[in-house]
Amino acid sequence: QKEVEQDPGPLSVPEGAIVSLNCTYSNSAFQYFMWYRQYSRKGPELLMYTYSSGNKEDGRFTAQVDKSSKYISLFIRDSQPSDSATYLCAMTRINTNAGKSTFGDGTTLTVKP
Amino acid sequence: GAGVSQSPSNKVTEKGKDVELRCDPISGHTALYWYRQSLGQGLEFLIYFQGNSAPDKSGLPSDRFSAERTGGSVSTLTIQRTQQEDSAVYLCASSLAAASQLYEQYFGPGTRLTVT
Repeated sequence: QKEVEQDPGPLSVPEGAIVSLNCTYSNSAFQYFMWYRQYSRKGPELLMYTYSSGNKEDGRFTAQVDKSSKYISLFIRDSQPSDSATYLCAMTRINTNAGKSTFGDGTTLTVKP
Repeated sequence: GAGVSQSPSNKVTEKGKDVELRCDPISGHTALYWYRQSLGQGLEFLIYFQGNSAPDKSGLPSDRFSAERTGGSVSTLTIQRTQQEDSAVYLCASSLAAASQLYEQYFGPGTRLTVT
C-alpha cells in the first residue's frame, strides 16, 4: 500500500466550477503538506503548503488538512481554463530526511471554457 | 531571477550506455533534490543534498545510480549501464536550508530520458 493515495481522475469540469482534489495518507509522521501544479512537460510548481490542520486560503485556492482522518484536499473556486494541469499532493516528515517529500500520483484536471 | 535549470532537456540513449544529467539550482539554495517521474506517476524521491553532502540516498534504485554535488551548487546524476526501466523524467529541485523553507521546493523542467 502506498503511503499517499490520490484520487486518480482525470477530472473534467466547466469553467467557473468548484473543484475538489483529494489525498489520503497512512503515515501519521507526515506533518507538512503541499500541493503542486504541473503543466504538461514542465516541472511541478508549488501552489500551497500547510503545517496544521484546518484551512489555508490563497486567492481562489483553499488547502484543507484533517490530520485525525489523514485526509487533505485542495479546493479551486471559479475554475479557469488556465487551471488545466496535473495537481500533485506531497507530504513531508519534519526533522528526519528533511525536505524529502512523498508524492501522490497526481490528478489531471481539465477546465472547459 | 533564474530558476532551476536542467540539461539536457531530452536524452535518448541505447541500453547499456551511461548517461549524465545535470542540475543547476537557484543561486543561494543549499538543499537540492533529485526525483524521478514515470509516465502517469507521481514523483519518486532519489537523493537529497545539503551542501555537498548527501544525508539521504535512500531513493536511489540500484548501484547503477549515483549523484554528486560540487561547490554547493551544480549536481550531476549518473546512471550507468542504462536499462529500459530507467526511462522517465528526472526532476531536480532546490530549496533554502532554513527549516521553514526546506519544504518550499522549486523544480526544474526535468530531463526526459528514453532508453532504447
